[in-house]
Amino acid sequence: DAMVIQNPRYQVTQFGKPVTLSCSQTLNHNVMYWYQQKSSQAPKLLFHYYDKDFNNEADTPDNFQSRRPNTSFCFLDIRSPGLGDAAMYLCATSRDWGVHEQFFGPGTRLTVL
Amino acid sequence: ELKVEQNPLFLSMQEGKNYTIYCNYSTTSDRLYWYRQDPGKSLESLFVLLSNGAVKQEGRLMASLDTKARLSTLHITAAVHDLSATYFCAVDLLPYGNKLVFGAGTILRVKS
Repeated sequence: DAMVIQNPRYQVTQFGKPVTLSCSQTLNHNVMYWYQQKSSQAPKLLFHYYDKDFNNEADTPDNFQSRRPNTSFCFLDIRSPGLGDAAMYLCATSRDWGVHEQFFGPGTRLTVL
Repeated sequence: ELKVEQNPLFLSMQEGKNYTIYCNYSTTSDRLYWYRQDPGKSLESLFVLLSNGAVKQEGRLMASLDTKARLSTLHITAAVHDLSATYFCAVDLLPYGNKLVFGAGTILRVKS
């Protein structure tokens, strides 16, 4: 089945230790998104890729970076995680830009010690 | 700035009862999505509403969109325990397209 896959599902890191979260998709969708969802809050868009074109939200901290080496994969890098970065990180894809439904992966739960 | 407000934020209801969750948004958009989220899980797409007057139904859930009132509703008919989850509405920012702004979510607990 075509799907959005995130690895790992659970990630524990130490304060200040860089971490990378992975997202892959078999849907061949052009657009990939990263959302941050803190406990009991709504998902918040961090950035998205339209093909290789990177688009950062204005309020996304510089601590968060992303890479999309090819259509199928997208990575979220947190350079120096703080306690406030503990959250569920959701990857989503959509077929194209415009009126297209977003499909979400299962998420990665990040814990910062 | 687009604001999306859901109410209620928490809903406890008995099995078999009906209720409606409301989603108001502050600026023009004719694209609204409803998602379900179980605890610790990802978002599951429920409904995609793409025009004024759109109505969609799936099982005990029915969603509608009134773009003139900037209001969407999610109606629950004869609730069952399995519907317990958090429900989010999300509105697409225009004219950018496909940039979703989520409401705060409604936590639904159905008691047997």
